[in-house]
Amino acid sequence: EDQVTQSPEALRLQEGESSSLNCSYTVSGLRGLFWYRQDPGKGPEFLFTLYSAGEEKEKERLKATLTKKESFLHITAPKPEDSATYLCAVHGGRDDKIIFGKGTRLHILP
Amino acid sequence: EADIYQTPRYLVIGTGKKITLECSQTMGHDKMYWYQQDPGMELHLIHYSYGVNSTEKGDLSSESTVSRIRTEHFPLTLESARPSHTSQYLCASIGGLISYEQYFGPGTRLTVT
Repeated sequence: EDQVTQSPEALRLQEGESSSLNCSYTVSGLRGLFWYRQDPGKGPEFLFTLYSAGEEKEKERLKATLTKKESFLHITAPKPEDSATYLCAVHGGRDDKIIFGKGTRLHILP
Repeated sequence: EADIYQTPRYLVIGTGKKITLECSQTMGHDKMYWYQQDPGMELHLIHYSYGVNSTEKGDLSSESTVSRIRTEHFPLTLESARPSHTSQYLCASIGGLISYEQYFGPGTRLTVT
């Protein structure tokens, strides 16, 4: 069964404390893995697309990496404004669908 | 920046009422999607469309309908609202032919009393 699992469910960090969020997936024929940021009461905002194992993308304090089984979103020296829910989604599978994980709620303490 | 709009942003309505949630995009995207999202849960696909006069059902489609008469407009209709429909509804579009990154609207928060 095609599936996306994100961990941890929630993460509290001190400002400046770097960490990583995990997205594990099982899907045949991966066509793309996506990371989104979602603020409370708003729609998700696109961050990155990764297509193949070994690929990396960076944007400000965020770096996304991809292996054949999982993706990591690394957050370096986070600031309180990085607090949000981060969603992972994959495109592929037998039905060529887009499947979302439940997200990781990140809270950065000042 | 993507231009995709949803109205209303908030709606409180009584059980049994018919409602239509509006979604419009000005980017000329062919692919459009409706999702339902409960707090702390993943997005569930309700309906999607790959172009004018094309609509498909997702996982949670049995109690709603959509139409795609114009490229820019993709409304979602609930024929008879129930308290179980209380949720956040998100509309999204995709412009690329190869890459499927989605651009989301701000969402409609629906409460059925």
